[in-house]
Amino acid sequence: NAGVTQTPKFQVLKTGQSMTLQCAQDMNHEYMSWYRQDPGMGLRLIHYSVGAGITDQGEVPNGYNVSRSTTEDFPLRLLSAAPSQTSVYFCASSTLGSGRDRNNEQFFGPGTRLTVL
Amino acid sequence: GENVEQHPSTLSVQEGDSAVIKCTYSDSASNYFPWYKQELGKGPQLIIDIRSNVGEKKDQRIAVTLNKTAKHFSLHITETQPEDSAVYFCAARGLASGTYKYIFGTGTRLKVLA
Repeated sequence: NAGVTQTPKFQVLKTGQSMTLQCAQDMNHEYMSWYRQDPGMGLRLIHYSVGAGITDQGEVPNGYNVSRSTTEDFPLRLLSAAPSQTSVYFCASSTLGSGRDRNNEQFFGPGTRLTVL
Repeated sequence: GENVEQHPSTLSVQEGDSAVIKCTYSDSASNYFPWYKQELGKGPQLIIDIRSNVGEKKDQRIAVTLNKTAKHFSLHITETQPEDSAVYFCAARGLASGTYKYIFGTGTRLKVLA
């Protein structure tokens, strides 16, 4: 299994440009999420999904859109990039873990380092 | 809203000493508590986790304890080694409430001094 993959690894944008960060997992996980991590700070949840066709907002959703058309893919779209969106973005996936013995481990991708000029 | 507080933000210990990182959660419906280690330039990796029906769990030099009444859980690393130097995050997940989100603490930078 490849686990959680993210592309690109690095990206530089100009203010106002749009782009999509790609995330894919091959573990058949229902739950997928996007976080941003700013220097010296923790992980802040942007959006998450509990299955194909279902998405919800996290704590910092403004300026970002997501969709979940398949179980495997969960792209994050920046609509009009701003310097405040300069950050490292992590995608993660896990099972829903609601069963007593189900593995709840959340697997993270390697991250995308985004700079907005 | 849900919140997880983590302390300390930085921790320096001598090699061979123990390190303890503490977290407090606000959502009483939380019932799954993982700890992640993040090395420089990498994504976080799970190192140990605990469910709310267990008070303590050990895996070699690391252990996690949970006090549901006080809504506290802690990571204990014994016999620290230089390779333990990293940022550690705690998190809480409310499986019972069906929200499924992981709420993360703000992280602890651990430095193990040789």
